[in-house]
Amino acid sequence: AQSVTQPDIHITVSEGASLELRCNYSYGATPYLFWYVQSPGQGLQLLLKYFSGDTLVQGIKGFEAEFKRSQSSFNLRKPSVHWSDAAEYFCAVGPSGTYKYIFGTGTRLKVLA
Amino acid sequence: NAGVMQNPRHLVRRRGQEARLRCSPMKGHSHVYWYRQLPEEGLKFMVYLQKENIIDESGMPKERFSAEFPKEGPSILRIQQVVRGDSAAYFCASSPEGLGLDTQYFGPGTRLTVL
Repeated sequence: AQSVTQPDIHITVSEGASLELRCNYSYGATPYLFWYVQSPGQGLQLLLKYFSGDTLVQGIKGFEAEFKRSQSSFNLRKPSVHWSDAAEYFCAVGPSGTYKYIFGTGTRLKVLA
Repeated sequence: NAGVMQNPRHLVRRRGQEARLRCSPMKGHSHVYWYRQLPEEGLKFMVYLQKENIIDESGMPKERFSAEFPKEGPSILRIQQVVRGDSAAYFCASSPEGLGLDTQYFGPGTRLTVL
């Protein structure tokens, strides 16, 4: 069955530190991959997406993600975290050709001043 | 450049009442998707609609839940005779093309609390 795993429920980093949020998926072919961010009381904002091509994807707010087929991973990274990055981050898989996005359970990021 | 609009943002209902959640897609988008987020879980697909058509409702509970997207006006997710287990955040997303060809853009969600 298709699934998305975000192994870290909570992550705390200091402002200015680097960040990596993990995402692993289970799917037979190469899916569409997404990272969304949800600030408290807000909807989901698309950070970046991967459909095909270059496996290193640049997104908004200084985020990037790398698709690694051999590891079935799509980890999100940011070199220097800002306090405003504190939010919940969701990795999602959109099996190619379908609209039924499958979401991970999210990683809640806390940023220390 | 308004995004996906949902209202109300918060809705409180007593058990047995009806809940109506509304979603206006982004301008130019004719495809709407509803997802439910239960506490401590990721979003789960419920239903996919185009104007006046339900394309896929495979993720929606068979009873008490219904959805529509009329020719005019917003998409409506309706939950009849709500129970405590319906308490969740309900998100609407829209896309211009549909059928998995493009990206879904999400609204702020409606947080339903059933007392």
